[in-house]
Amino acid sequence: RKEVEQDPGPFNVPEGATVAFNCTYSNSASQSFFWYRQDCRKEPKLLMSVYSSGNEDGRFTAQLNRASQYISLLIRDSKLSDSATYLCVVKDTGGFKTIFGAGTRLFVKA
Amino acid sequence: NAGVTQTPKFQVLKTGQSMTLQCAQDMNHNSMYWYRQDPGMGLRLIYYSASEGTTDKGEVPNGYNVSRLNKREFSLRLESAAPSQTSVYFCASSEATGHGVTAKNIQYFGAGTRLSVL
Repeated sequence: RKEVEQDPGPFNVPEGATVAFNCTYSNSASQSFFWYRQDCRKEPKLLMSVYSSGNEDGRFTAQLNRASQYISLLIRDSKLSDSATYLCVVKDTGGFKTIFGAGTRLFVKA
Repeated sequence: NAGVTQTPKFQVLKTGQSMTLQCAQDMNHNSMYWYRQDPGMGLRLIYYSASEGTTDKGEVPNGYNVSRLNKREFSLRLESAAPSQTSVYFCASSEATGHGVTAKNIQYFGAGTRLSVL
């Protein structure tokens, strides 16, 4: 079983739609969680950190469920510019081991 | 502010050739990393350097060596390239913020090096 698993998609949604991605992780000791965004043939960039109480940044909402060991990302009012691959990232306590999921591809259509 | 700079951007090697990928960051970060990204695999950590003067193996270190030349620079060397090392290589740097359970370790990536080994 992969340490971090994501549905690879692709998710094809129209502009204005709401879309949600889930990510599961296997290490219950994991402490830090992030969503990164990666555009085609570009480097990953931080989208948002994920906090235990859940957090929102504009149209993006991230949730963490420690009991079930999954993280979610909700995108509301999708824009064409949201088309990208979204990487779920999990880091263990105190160390430098950072595990990246393989990513979920999103295509937003006009 | 350039952030993380990688060179070269593209490289084609023949099996058995050697090369060094260069990485430099200007954010005064302590930690630096080398990843490879293959289709369907996500990013996998090759080596990392928690601070100047230290290096440690990651998930897939075989066939690679690294040097933390100073705080700014972290290079990755392929001594004898193999077709299995065809990949996109990303360098990253980070500075931990917060403490304990609130500690974050946001990584900033270079633009990547696309390497083909024939």
